[in-house]
Amino acid sequence: QSVLTQPPSASGTPGQRVTISCSGSNSNIGSNHVYWYQQFPGAAPKVLIYRNNQRPSGVPERFSGSRSGTSASLAISGLRSEDEADYYCAAWDDSLSGRVVFGGGTKLTVL
Amino acid sequence: ELQLVESGGGLVQPGRSLRLSCAASGFTFDDYAMHWVRQAPGKGLEWVSGINWNSGRIGYADAVQGRFTISRDNAKNSLYLQMNSLRIEDTALYYCAKAYSAHYYDSSGLFHSWGQGSLVTVSS
Repeated sequence: QSVLTQPPSASGTPGQRVTISCSGSNSNIGSNHVYWYQQFPGAAPKVLIYRNNQRPSGVPERFSGSRSGTSASLAISGLRSEDEADYYCAAWDDSLSGRVVFGGGTKLTVL
Repeated sequence: ELQLVESGGGLVQPGRSLRLSCAASGFTFDDYAMHWVRQAPGKGLEWVSGINWNSGRIGYADAVQGRFTISRDNAKNSLYLQMNSLRIEDTALYYCAKAYSAHYYDSSGLFHSWGQGSLVTVSS
């Protein structure tokens, strides 16, 4: 069971706006930056959003991140077929001796 | 171009050991913390271990504490993971990942770039 909670699946049609939620607690999302990763089958993960809402160069503006309290979300606007992938949220967790925690991942399907 | 290339994976029996390596290039290796992250077949991502830029601070997931040892050689631009007393549940693709900062243990220290992974299969 993952420390961060994501819906296992999400879907949308081309052009739609889709959001993926990530729920945590005070020891992780509530006090630390959230990161989002995209992973295609058979490929390594790639960073989409870092430090809650920062987009690395090369990531389309269609992807945006936000954080509020102990939750975060990834929004994808103008959905495209090539966005079909797995999406993971992650954050540092201050509990115990400290660790990185992940969400269980959300499989995004473009209908 | 930034590159992280893992090696050393393979098939190993339960209870045996394996050492993974990660060769880094395209960035100033000793400016950044590094991590190991694994992914069991068909499962999600799981953090394994992190190490500061100067090896001054190291952390492990509970699942591997006492069995795995992370280390780095900044002169060789290399990261390592010594895995002892391997268990069937350690079977996974192991990724080497560069951090965003010099310290793995803070809010800014998560994963900036990833290698392609090295597959470790623990089976009798």
